[in-house]
Amino acid sequence: SQTIHQWPATLVQPVGSPLSLECTVEGTSNPNLYWYRQAAGRGLQLLFYSVGIGQISSEVPQNLSASRPQDRQFILSSKKLLLSDSGFYLCAWRSAGHYGYTFGSGTRLTVV
Amino acid sequence: GESVGLHLPTLSVQEGDNSIINCAYSNSASDYFIWYKQESGKGPQFIIDIRSNMDKRQGQRVTVLLNKTVKHLSLQIAATQPGDSAVYFCAENIQGDYKLSFGAGTTVTVRA
Repeated sequence: SQTIHQWPATLVQPVGSPLSLECTVEGTSNPNLYWYRQAAGRGLQLLFYSVGIGQISSEVPQNLSASRPQDRQFILSSKKLLLSDSGFYLCAWRSAGHYGYTFGSGTRLTVV
Repeated sequence: GESVGLHLPTLSVQEGDNSIINCAYSNSASDYFIWYKQESGKGPQFIIDIRSNMDKRQGQRVTVLLNKTVKHLSLQIAATQPGDSAVYFCAENIQGDYKLSFGAGTTVTVRA
């Protein structure tokens, strides 16, 4: 069966520090991968998605970047965090040709 | 589409009553719709889906209705329970697109 792993669950980082959030999927190959951010009490904002290794599409200009070094690994990064980067970050995947996403458990990032 | 900057609408329901959560969409090319449930601090979980060639689909205590004429989607929860308290998101797949488009979400609170 397919599973998605996202870590860490919570993270507190100072302003100006780097960020690396990792997401991995097991039990499938060539998934479409997604990074979403959710501010408290708000909706889901798509940040990046990837349809293959090394292929990254950015939805909104921002302080973050994404990479897909392996088929089932999706990384969200920042060189210098801003206070506005705080939020709940969700990774999701879906199989090519299927429509529904499966979400990870999320990372609560607080930038202080 | 996304409404990430908006506070989520709310629905307060008495335990045991039926809940109806509504969602409007705008793209005629949407061919698939999903409802997700997100509990506090967790990633969204799949509830039920429906293809555009259907107008109703039932699951366990949940029913999704699709009205393509007015581009409206609803989720009905029968005999609402305290465990149904969560944020509910509708999502649509636009034919040919790689990503889902999420609605703003509705916060459902169940009163004992």
